[in-house]
Amino acid sequence: GENVEQHPSTLSVQEGDSAVIKCTYSDSASNYFPWYKQELGKRPQLIIDIRSNVGEKKDQRIAVTLNKTAKHFSLHITETQPEDSAVYFCAASQGSARQLTFGSGTQLTVLP
Amino acid sequence: DAGVIQSPRHEVTEMGQEVTLRCKPISGHDYLFWYRQTMMRGLELLIYFNNNVPIDDSGMPEDRFSAKMPNASFSTLKIQPSEPRDSAVYFCASSLLEGELFFGEGSRLTVL
Repeated sequence: GENVEQHPSTLSVQEGDSAVIKCTYSDSASNYFPWYKQELGKRPQLIIDIRSNVGEKKDQRIAVTLNKTAKHFSLHITETQPEDSAVYFCAASQGSARQLTFGSGTQLTVLP
Repeated sequence: DAGVIQSPRHEVTEMGQEVTLRCKPISGHDYLFWYRQTMMRGLELLIYFNNNVPIDDSGMPEDRFSAKMPNASFSTLKIQPSEPRDSAVYFCASSLLEGELFFGEGSRLTVL
């Protein structure tokens, strides 16, 4: 089955700096890569996703890049704000939410 | 739509007791998932249903766990008998076939 590794497990940045979280996956058939944000005590919520037919996707301060050859994808958050502090999870599957395998999560702390 | 609705939000019980967690998916969604979240193991898929039929229960830890979906708007996850190691946050989520995974607020279970 799919195995998703996520790094780093914790990340602290100063407000206004950029944050990068990286994930690798094992199954070359995976083609759907969502990222979820989970604030303390809340539900995970989708913030951005990418499918394998594109290499990069942006949504305001958030971007995701995908390298299918190397089987890794990354989340980039620019101009970080305190409200970006949360746990971020990457995931991978073969096309849908049915068989998502999640990474172990990254606790991002944005320091004011 | 009110989103995925779970109950109870918090449950404290003693070892050996039966626990029933409930979920109402988003109307029209044909996939329903049960996840367990712990610090040690992250987000684990326990079981998922398609059109009320269990499709993959390979993540269910053992026979003490069972899940049902008697109709399109209701599912239960039952643990009998419960053990302290079952303490976790249990998330229900729903989606359309190729759509985003929407999580409920979770049920925090503590087994003493």
